[in-house]
Amino acid sequence: DAGVIQSPRHEVTEMGQEVTLRCKPISGHNSLFWYRQTMMRGLELLIYFNNNVPIDDSGMPEDRFSAKMPNASFSTLKIQPSEPRDSAVYFCASRGGTTPLQTQYFGPGTRLLVL
Amino acid sequence: GNSVTQMEGPVTLSEEAFLTINCTYTATGYPSLFWYVQYPGEGLQLLLKATKADDKGSNKGFEATYRKETTSFHLEKGSVQVSDSAVYFCAHTNDYKLSFGAGTTVTVRA
Repeated sequence: DAGVIQSPRHEVTEMGQEVTLRCKPISGHNSLFWYRQTMMRGLELLIYFNNNVPIDDSGMPEDRFSAKMPNASFSTLKIQPSEPRDSAVYFCASRGGTTPLQTQYFGPGTRLLVL
Repeated sequence: GNSVTQMEGPVTLSEEAFLTINCTYTATGYPSLFWYVQYPGEGLQLLLKATKADDKGSNKGFEATYRKETTSFHLEKGSVQVSDSAVYFCAHTNDYKLSFGAGTTVTVRA
């Protein structure tokens, strides 16, 4: 299995530009998570999808952030317009099943730098 | 609310030294507990987990025991290697949401 795939791995953009991060979960997994990692705030859950439906988006910072999951094999996290404080590593994770026992598998992350 | 507190780093050790990283949690009910490891430039990987009191999770020489009475899940390894250099995260969950500690950076020198 290829694991969780994220693209791009690195993104450098200028303030005000739109940024789209992509994630392909592990085949057969029905839960998908987007996390943000920064030195100041650590790992934060941004949004959680189950069976392609957003269940909890309380961690999404503000309206500039949006996430979609049009099908079971693809999700996007979009930032529009981007700001320097959005610079972070963004991780996607997927999980099969819904019990806490099920492991979340993380992708390699997208390192975003907004200038 | 739910939270995880883990020992602040960075921690620097020599090869074959004993490693312990303290982790305590606050949660309602009986959460499942996890240790994740993040190697440089990579995503998080599950290292071990425990789902009920007195359970011991173990993997790659690492161990942690779920202590309900002290709400702790300390990570230990008896003899570390250079390849164990990474950031270690303690986490818990009662449902779908993982709550992570701040992470502890461990560097093992040859």
